[in-house]
Amino acid sequence: GAVVSQHPSWVICKSGTSVKIECRSLDFQATTMFWYRQFPKQSLMLMATSNEGSKATYEQGVEKDKFLINHASLTLSTLTVTSAHPEDSSFYICSAQGGDSTYGYTFGSGTRLTVV
Amino acid sequence: KQEVTQIPAALSVPEGENLVLNCSFTDSAIYNLQWFRQDPGKGLTSLLLIQSSQREQTSGRLNASLDKSSGRSTLYIAASQPGDSATYLCADPSGAGSYQLTFGKGTKLSVIP
Repeated sequence: GAVVSQHPSWVICKSGTSVKIECRSLDFQATTMFWYRQFPKQSLMLMATSNEGSKATYEQGVEKDKFLINHASLTLSTLTVTSAHPEDSSFYICSAQGGDSTYGYTFGSGTRLTVV
Repeated sequence: KQEVTQIPAALSVPEGENLVLNCSFTDSAIYNLQWFRQDPGKGLTSLLLIQSSQREQTSGRLNASLDKSSGRSTLYIAASQPGDSATYLCADPSGAGSYQLTFGKGTKLSVIP
């Protein structure tokens, strides 16, 4: 079946540093990937749509200079949280469309970011 | 803009019971509907995908139905097990071609041994 690999699964960083999260489609090509953020006991909120070879599309209220997205290949998208602050602490999840079904979505296992 | 509502927000049942989770959406012109489960601190696992031309999908003890005219989807879980305890989310792409999922807030299921 379709697999999306997300790394790291958790990370702790100091305020002011940057953190990169990787999302890879292992057995299919994903021209489009999506980055979500989830707060405790809340549903997923779409942050941005990552398009291979072009700029990401950010949702309203998401700072594109803070959350840098790069989709350099058909199997890899990265989210970099720059100059992280404690309020950036959250659960970040990526997903890609494709794999088992043209219309289905496959999700990564998520990354728990804690900024201290 | 599509809105997805899931009822109930939480559900606790004894092991072995059959149960139904509900998902409603405001825009019946959905592309397809997908059910996921999320375990605490984990990503989402796809359970069932119902394409707009279909009415239901089955996988093991799970059956999902889609009624576009009423704007509803249900996830039926037969003979529930403690391992079914998780949060169940339904999601709809926000319009054909946009590929952006709109999620409900989920139903947190607890199956008591």
